[in-house]
Amino acid sequence: DSGVTQTPKHLITATGQRVTLRCSPRSGDLSVYWYQQSLDQGLQFLIQYYNGEERAKGNILERFSAQQFPDLHSELNLSSLELGDSALYFCASSVGGMASGSYNEQFFGPGTRLTVL
Amino acid sequence: GQQLNQSPQSMFIQEGEDVSMNCTSSSIFNTWLWYKQDPGEGPVLLIALYKAGELTSNGRLTAQFGITRKDSFLNISASIPSDVGIYFCAGQPPPFYGGSQGNLIFGKGTKLSVKP
Repeated sequence: DSGVTQTPKHLITATGQRVTLRCSPRSGDLSVYWYQQSLDQGLQFLIQYYNGEERAKGNILERFSAQQFPDLHSELNLSSLELGDSALYFCASSVGGMASGSYNEQFFGPGTRLTVL
Repeated sequence: GQQLNQSPQSMFIQEGEDVSMNCTSSSIFNTWLWYKQDPGEGPVLLIALYKAGELTSNGRLTAQFGITRKDSFLNISASIPSDVGIYFCAGQPPPFYGGSQGNLIFGKGTKLSVKP
């Protein structure tokens, strides 16, 4: 158990819909990261928040958005869903996360499996 | 964008065998990481490498940060059944490539299975 929790574990929805995935980081961790894992693309970094502020952006679509709340939990919002959005979505957290050139270990949650029908 | 080529894509192991996998890139990385993912779970960090040429061990696992900063390998010695899973390499690009704490680039994984 990494200490990172994600809900829900599974989510099945239809194209065009909007869903929200939730993540609670490990106690004391200030950074939250979101990743998408699909069969053909592997693990793709989407976005990072540090203490409530967006810190880094990866391959995140405009239909997707995220935020980190004052209690440090984070939500990933996926809208206008398409079949290709079906994937595992992972949240990870780390203690720090501000400086490039250094690395704070990221602890991954168990993921949310999203299926778009 | 930057990509990592991880090989082999899959391999079968017999208990006791040594296993080797590697990652290469056309561009340099500041940090190399190796993760293992078991079914239904998120990746777990095995080894982190921070300097070119660095060789680091974690039990039966040994990993090296290539001297050119463009590659890394992971070796597993005397494999056991619980080594089965998917192994990912990941790299953190330098700042001038948009590198940041979060912007890890992952390989597509090496799936380790037990020989039937």
